[in-house]
Amino acid sequence: DAGVTQSPTHLIKTRGQQVTLRCSPKSGHDTVSWYQQALGQGPQFIFQYYEEEERQRGNFPDRFSGHQFPNYSSELNVNALLLGDSALYLCASSLPQEYTQYFGPGTRLTVL
Amino acid sequence: AQKVTQAQTEISVVEKEDVTLDCVYETRDTTYYLFWYKQPPSGELVFLIRRNSFDEQNEISGRYSWNFQKSTSSFNFTITASQVVDSAVYFCALSVVKAAGNKLTFGGGTRVLVKP
Repeated sequence: DAGVTQSPTHLIKTRGQQVTLRCSPKSGHDTVSWYQQALGQGPQFIFQYYEEEERQRGNFPDRFSGHQFPNYSSELNVNALLLGDSALYLCASSLPQEYTQYFGPGTRLTVL
Repeated sequence: AQKVTQAQTEISVVEKEDVTLDCVYETRDTTYYLFWYKQPPSGELVFLIRRNSFDEQNEISGRYSWNFQKSTSSFNFTITASQVVDSAVYFCALSVVKAAGNKLTFGGGTRVLVKP
């Protein structure tokens, strides 16, 4: 049973660039959430997608956007990158009525 | 708004000692779930346990046990007879039951170092 997968593993960008991160949920899961984890801190909720729509959003600027595809996979897009966007980006999947979220290995983004 | 506080930033123990991690949460909602996750150096968050707000029965699962006290808004987690492989950062998290989504609110984490 495949778990949550994310790509790429690592990414280096420069300020002002745009980045796209990808996530495939655990088999059978249709809800995908994204979190940002700065070094030494707990993960912060960015947004959650269900049925290809953004269902819930955290306190992140509009530079952060996402998409969910019919096969439940998801993308996180960040525009106009700032140095402060450097972090580990975690994707999690769950069933809509099942409150446990299962996480992928993350994508480490470095903005220079 | 929800908030989770983990007052202990780092705990160091010798193998076979017990480790208890503290977690205090804040929410005005009456229906919610509490979680503990483990984050080893590889970075992936691993789900350990879940408890809902209506069930205060404390349980033991292998070397893990937890103490949920609604009266003090605490959800403490204990690792019995710690092992070197238990070295990781442990996060407590809260999820409120809402139709609009089930985001997780995390604490700042507690780093556990188990020395041989």
